[in-house]
Amino acid sequence: KQEVTQIPAALSVPEGENLVLNCSFTDSAIYNLQWFRQDPGKGLTSLLLIQSSQREQTSGRLNASLDKSSGRSTLYIAASQPGDSATYLCAVVETGANNLFFGTGTRLTVIP
Amino acid sequence: DVKVTQSSRYLVKRTGEKVFLECVQDMDHENMFWYRQDPGLGLRLIYFSYDVKMKEKGDIPEGYSVSREKKERFSLILESASTNQTSMYLCATGPLMETQYFGPGTRLLVL
Repeated sequence: KQEVTQIPAALSVPEGENLVLNCSFTDSAIYNLQWFRQDPGKGLTSLLLIQSSQREQTSGRLNASLDKSSGRSTLYIAASQPGDSATYLCAVVETGANNLFFGTGTRLTVIP
Repeated sequence: DVKVTQSSRYLVKRTGEKVFLECVQDMDHENMFWYRQDPGLGLRLIYFSYDVKMKEKGDIPEGYSVSREKKERFSLILESASTNQTSMYLCATGPLMETQYFGPGTRLLVL
C-alpha cells in the first residue's frame, strides 16, 4: 500500500529565509502529486499539482519538484513570510487508484 | 469562484446519536470524498462517490455510511456516534487528475 512520509513534522524559520519541505512516497506508479496548505482548524487549499510526466511546477514564491523514480518531491518556499505559517501536506494519486494518499504534514512557523 | 461548503463547522453530539454531515459543491464534479483527520494519522478516506447514488468504501468505513442523491450533495452519516469518532471531518471534490477542492471542515466532538 502507498505510504507518504513528510519530514520534518515541524519546522521554524526566521522571516526571509528560503526553505524546503520534503515528501517521499513508496510506490512510484503515480498519476500526480499535489501540495496543500492547511491553516489551523480549516480545510485544505491546493497549492501546486504536478502530473507524473512533469518535473516541477511554480506559483509565485513556491516551486514544487517531482522525482518519480526516487519517490520524492520537494516544496521550495522563497523569502518566507509570517503569513506562510501553516501545515503543508503532500498527497499522491496512485495509478489505478480512486483516491489520494496523504502525508501527515509539516507544520511550518515563520518567525517575524 | 469554486465553493465547497459543509453544513456545520462545529458539532457536539452524545454517544449513540445519529449524526448527519453534509457537503455541497457547486463545480458539477462527479467525484466527492469524505476524509477524517486526526493528529499523527493524517487524512484517512472514509467513503467516496463517483456518481449519483454510487459509493465506494475507503480505508476506514466502519461506523459510517453515505448518501448521494444529487450530484452536488454528499452526506456522511454516523449511524450511532461513538467517542472514537471525535475528529475533524473534511469533504473534498474534484477529478483525480486535477486539483482537489476541500470544504472548511467539521470538527465533531462526541461525548
